Amino acid sequence: QSALTQPASVSGSPGQSITISCTGTSSDVGSYNLVSWYQQHPGKAPKLMICEVSKRPSGVSNRFSGSKSGNTASLTISGLQAEDEADYYCCSYAGSTTWVFGGGTKLTVL
Amino acid sequence: QVQLVESGGGVVQPGGSLRLSCAASGFTFSSYGMHWVRQAPGKGLEWVAFIRYDGSNKKCADSVKGRFTISRDNSKNTLDLQMNSLRAEDTAVYYCAKAGEGYVFDIWGQGTMVTVSS
Repeated sequence: QSALTQPASVSGSPGQSITISCTGTSSDVGSYNLVSWYQQHPGKAPKLMICEVSKRPSGVSNRFSGSKSGNTASLTISGLQAEDEADYYCCSYAGSTTWVFGGGTKLTVL
Repeated sequence: QVQLVESGGGVVQPGGSLRLSCAASGFTFSSYGMHWVRQAPGKGLEWVAFIRYDGSNKKCADSVKGRFTISRDNSKNTLDLQMNSLRAEDTAVYYCAKAGEGYVFDIWGQGTMVTVSS
């Protein structure tokens, strides 16, 4: 169960768009459309932002979107806002009732 | 409102044991699977364990297999994690999380800190 690979950090200016990648294998990301994304502010619990690759839970801004191609999933945040500055984690179901998270990406809003 | 509250964290010596609990409220606990997820200081999230809504299926990550046991009491709306043979690398904030549709973690507790140190 190796962690999914995410860039350690990304940054963007207010109003811009950024994309965070999440690379797994054919055993996890590539096998299931069950990738989710979580936002975590310092000292807080994670919050679900995207489920099943591209679905937004109720209450999540439509500035957040997800996609997947092969073994790589992506989270895009458009119209960056200061409050988007946080850590972001992807997660994939990996079969046999197991899950794997990415290493996390720190988003800085310049 | 939907809420998960963890308890039981603390400082324990290597090789020791600790039992974490998670009290659920605001939803029909007995209808949902539950997870434990941990986060070492300054590190990322790591899935630890899952238990089916009725307790009939349990699974642990390889890193804790044979040492940690997940259980639940649907009559008390509580989720537990029994941690034995603790190691320094088990030091982390432990979160309980509700399993949501689409194999997600849709509700999280605030976490409880476990420190394994002599």
